[in-house]
Amino acid sequence: AQSVAQPEDQVNVAEGNPLTVKCTYSVSGNPYLFWYVQYPNRGLQFLLKYITGDNLVKGSYGFEAEFNKSQTSFHLKKPSALVSDSALYFCAVRGLTGGGNKLTFGTGTQLKVEL
Amino acid sequence: DAGVTQSPTHLIKTRGQQVTLRCSPKSGHDTVSWYQQALGQGPQFIFQYYEEEERQRGNFPDRFSGHQFPNYSSELNVNALLLGDSALYLCASSLLENEQFFGPGTRLTVL
Repeated sequence: AQSVAQPEDQVNVAEGNPLTVKCTYSVSGNPYLFWYVQYPNRGLQFLLKYITGDNLVKGSYGFEAEFNKSQTSFHLKKPSALVSDSALYFCAVRGLTGGGNKLTFGTGTQLKVEL
Repeated sequence: DAGVTQSPTHLIKTRGQQVTLRCSPKSGHDTVSWYQQALGQGPQFIFQYYEEEERQRGNFPDRFSGHQFPNYSSELNVNALLLGDSALYLCASSLLENEQFFGPGTRLTVL
């Protein structure tokens, strides 16, 4: 079975400072990893994905994520946070065994960026 | 190009009733997945449809059923509604097994 852990319910950061949202995963075989963002009363918006290749993945809105196979982590990062980045962030994993592309999500991390 | 659309936006039902939610995938996509997102939780996979067949199913009871039409649109049906079925229901579409794009969701409230 595949699973995702987001250990922090909330992350607070000042605007202009770097931010990190943590994610660890468990899956059989090599994973596909994703980050999605959700604004209030909205669906999920895709930010970035890791399939293979470089461990540092760049995505939308200046976000990037670092894949670390030995630590089974896929932390989301941004060098300089904006107030508009405040939202709910979800990490997700898709295993590569079996058919279909079912995603397993973490419980989410609320990011709050303050002036 | 329209993205994933869902209807209705909001829905209120009472316990024991049945509900049907609808989803139109992003243009060019052939695979539709449904997720349930309870308040304060991450989305939970319900099932996935491809070529009008259920391809994968999550840990949801048989009260949850679905359908995919030849134009790739999909319906989610829930019978004998329980209070615990209150949630945001998200539809996601993809081309085969590529990344999924999500719709805005349908907020279901069961009273």
